[in-house]
Amino acid sequence: AQKVTQAQTEISVVEKEDVTLDCVYETRDTTYYLFWYKQPPSGELVFLIRRNSFDEQNEISGRYSWNFQKSTSSFNFTITASQVVDSAVYFCALSGTQGGSEKLVFGKGMKLTVNP
Amino acid sequence: DTAVSQTPKYLVTQMGNDKSIKCEQNLGHDTMYWYKQDSKKFLKIMFSYNNKELIINETVPNRFSPKSPDKAHLNLHINSLELGDSAVYFCASSQGTSRGYTFGSGTRLTVV
Repeated sequence: AQKVTQAQTEISVVEKEDVTLDCVYETRDTTYYLFWYKQPPSGELVFLIRRNSFDEQNEISGRYSWNFQKSTSSFNFTITASQVVDSAVYFCALSGTQGGSEKLVFGKGMKLTVNP
Repeated sequence: DTAVSQTPKYLVTQMGNDKSIKCEQNLGHDTMYWYKQDSKKFLKIMFSYNNKELIINETVPNRFSPKSPDKAHLNLHINSLELGDSAVYFCASSQGTSRGYTFGSGTRLTVV
């Protein structure tokens, strides 16, 4: 069975602070994909990143960066110099590639509040 | 042009009613999904269809019946609505996990 754990449920920071969102996953698939989604107060799911299990390079996109470590089954997300607009619920998700596992399994989400 | 569109965006109805939510994708994807997001924000898959065929049914009550008339549409019909069905329902489509998933904007269902 596939499982995603986001241990933090809620974090509150002050603008310009850096914040890291943790994600730990479990899967038996050798090939799988990891995702991060943002859900702002307006409710839509905004895709942030997709990473396959064979690509352990870290990725940076502006203030966002992701650290994928297969050895610890983690795919952590860091926001540098947070802004109020970053306030949202963030979901880590996993999708396998074997029959029946080609579906997104989400973590429970982490609510980030960035205060001015 | 919206890639995955759901209608309606909001639905308020009384207990015991039957209602439908429609989903259409114009991406040419083969696979479509319904996800439910409960009041605690937990997102869980309900159904998945590939080329009009049901491939995933995740222990959803029989009152929920998906229907896929063609691969671009996946509708969700709910019979005898209960208070606990109140949630946000998201439709999504995919052309294989490696290419990611595209979500609709969600339908907020409130049962009173």
